[in-house]
Amino acid sequence: AQKVTQAQTEISVVEKEDVTLDCVYETRDTTYYLFWYKQPPSGELVFLIRRNSFDEQNEISGRYSWNFQKSTSSFNFTITASQVVDSAVYFCALSEPLGTYKYIFGTGTRLKVLA
Amino acid sequence: DAMVIQNPRYQVTQFGKPVTLSCSQTLNHNVMYWYQQKSSQAPKLLFHYYDKDFNNEADTPDNFQSRRPNTSFCFLDIRSPGLGDAAMYLCATSRAPGTGFEQYFGPGTRLTVT
Repeated sequence: AQKVTQAQTEISVVEKEDVTLDCVYETRDTTYYLFWYKQPPSGELVFLIRRNSFDEQNEISGRYSWNFQKSTSSFNFTITASQVVDSAVYFCALSEPLGTYKYIFGTGTRLKVLA
Repeated sequence: DAMVIQNPRYQVTQFGKPVTLSCSQTLNHNVMYWYQQKSSQAPKLLFHYYDKDFNNEADTPDNFQSRRPNTSFCFLDIRSPGLGDAAMYLCATSRAPGTGFEQYFGPGTRLTVT
């Protein structure tokens, strides 16, 4: 069965520190997609990135970077030089088998960036 | 800007009094979803539509119903809200086919049951 584990329930860092949010997944599918979403206090989930199972290239977008490793079934998310505006709950998600249009969400990691 | 809109943002209803939450989208996406999210938990999928095809999750209570009269609109009806139904309700959309497409979420409706 598919599963997403975000072992870090809550992380607190001081502004300008780097922080990595862990995501470990389980799936028997060979084709799948992984996602990261940010949920700020306002409540709306904001899409950050999608990665398919055949693309293990790491990605960098500004202060955000993602490390996808199939060998360890991990898709970790790093924020460099964190800012107070990064404070939010971050969810990792895995797509279910093709044709079901559904996600499996992790339980989320609450990030608090202190000024 | 293309987006997912939810109304109202905050809804207060009485125990047992039916309530309807609405969602509209300008993205012209085929798939629309309703999620329930309780405090400090991940969103829980209630059901989704692929065009007019309705897909109910096995553990979604019968108390929850949905309607999608056209591509742009989707409604969540809670026939007899209980205290346990107080939550944030999130609407989302995605393109089809396949699961490789990201979902776009609305701002949510926070439901309070008194």
